[in-house]
Formats: sequence, C-alpha cells, structure tokens
Amino acid sequence: NAGVMQNPRHLVRRRGQEARLRCSPMKGHSHVYWYRQLPEEGLKFMVYLQKENIIDESGMPKERFSAEFPKEGPSILRIQQVVRGDSAAYFCASSNGNQPQHFGDGTRLSIL
Amino acid sequence: SQQGEEDPQALSIQEGENATMNCSYKTSINNLQWYRQNSGRGLVHLILIRSNEREKHSGRLRVTLDTSKKSSSLLITASRAADTASYFCATDPSIQGAQKLVFGQGTRLTINP
Repeated sequence: NAGVMQNPRHLVRRRGQEARLRCSPMKGHSHVYWYRQLPEEGLKFMVYLQKENIIDESGMPKERFSAEFPKEGPSILRIQQVVRGDSAAYFCASSNGNQPQHFGDGTRLSIL
Repeated sequence: SQQGEEDPQALSIQEGENATMNCSYKTSINNLQWYRQNSGRGLVHLILIRSNEREKHSGRLRVTLDTSKKSSSLLITASRAADTASYFCATDPSIQGAQKLVFGQGTRLTINP
C-alpha cells in the first residue's frame, strides 16, 4: 500500500556531475509529474509524463534536464552537468489521470 | 510568475484558535486544491474544490471558492500544535489536457501551545 516513492531522499553532487532522481508512482497510477521547490517557495511544475511519453515539459529547462517514464521501472529525472542553482527539493507526484495528485517526500539535491 | 498567491505569508496563533489563509489566482480553473507540507516532507492533499462549488468541508477544514474574485480561503478550526506546517493552494488550469498544478508561495502556519 505504498504511496509515491522517491529516492534518494538526499543527493549531494559536485558541480559538473550528473544527478539522477527516481520516482515510483502509487500502485495503479500511470501519470507522473515532477516539480521543483526552492527554499521558502512553492512548487513549480517541470514535466508531466505518462508511460513512455512526455506529455508536457513546458516547465523544464531546455538544457541539461531530461525526464523519462519507461514501460518498466520508475520515472527518472536526470540533470546533467549540475550547477549550484540546481540545488532544490525535487518532488514527484502521481495520479490516475484525474486530480488530486499524490506527492512523494522529495529528493533534496545539494550541489557542492 | 506564480498563479496562486497566498496571504498571509506567515501566521502564528494560539492552539485552539481558528486559522484563515487566503489564496488568489489569475486564470480560469477546473479546480483548486489545498495541500499541507510539514518541514522536510512532501505535500499532503487536504481538499479539492471544483470551479462550480462554493464551499466544502472536511473535518476541521473549510474551504471557500469565489470564482468571480478568483480567490479561495482555507479555514482550520480549533487549531492544534500538529497543524503547524506550510499550506499551499494549487490551481488546475482549465486548459484542455493540462494537468500541471500551479502553486502559490504558501502560508507558514505556527500553532503555539
């Protein structure tokens, strides 16, 4: 009866490295959403995926960021060549296509 | 810029008092949702109100929606220390196929024992 599972909970990377954030949606959910939260701010939408398809990536930076949701396995948010400004909490949410969305506990990414 | 704007940004009250938080938004919506976030955790869905609804209750929570003013309020009655958290409104824009939620900056609520 697990909810949305994100790992790792905390991730530390040096500038220039790659960060991979994983999200397993709730059982029965095939819609996944990624959001980013800076300290003391609300969440900002990044990307919306269904199995094997990116539906809306309007909130995702054009460079260095990519997301996938393969037929098998978790959704992955990938950040290449990380910079200090990528430090944030990244949240994944899932749904069955209707609201509400159910959120994981997030991955806190720190860039040294 | 963020669609949802909550006020106040921070609210501190005594246990047992009522807490009211407000949210304004800019575009037409399918629904508006309120979420709670405890420090260091993810968001917990509290309540969803559809654009054709004016008021909704869930336990000690009462949400109102005024689409003519593009605003909503969240009332927590008989507050408890465990209600201490950040509260966010999120709008689901009424664009066909759109699924992304647009969040406000949140209200940080502190309940003093």
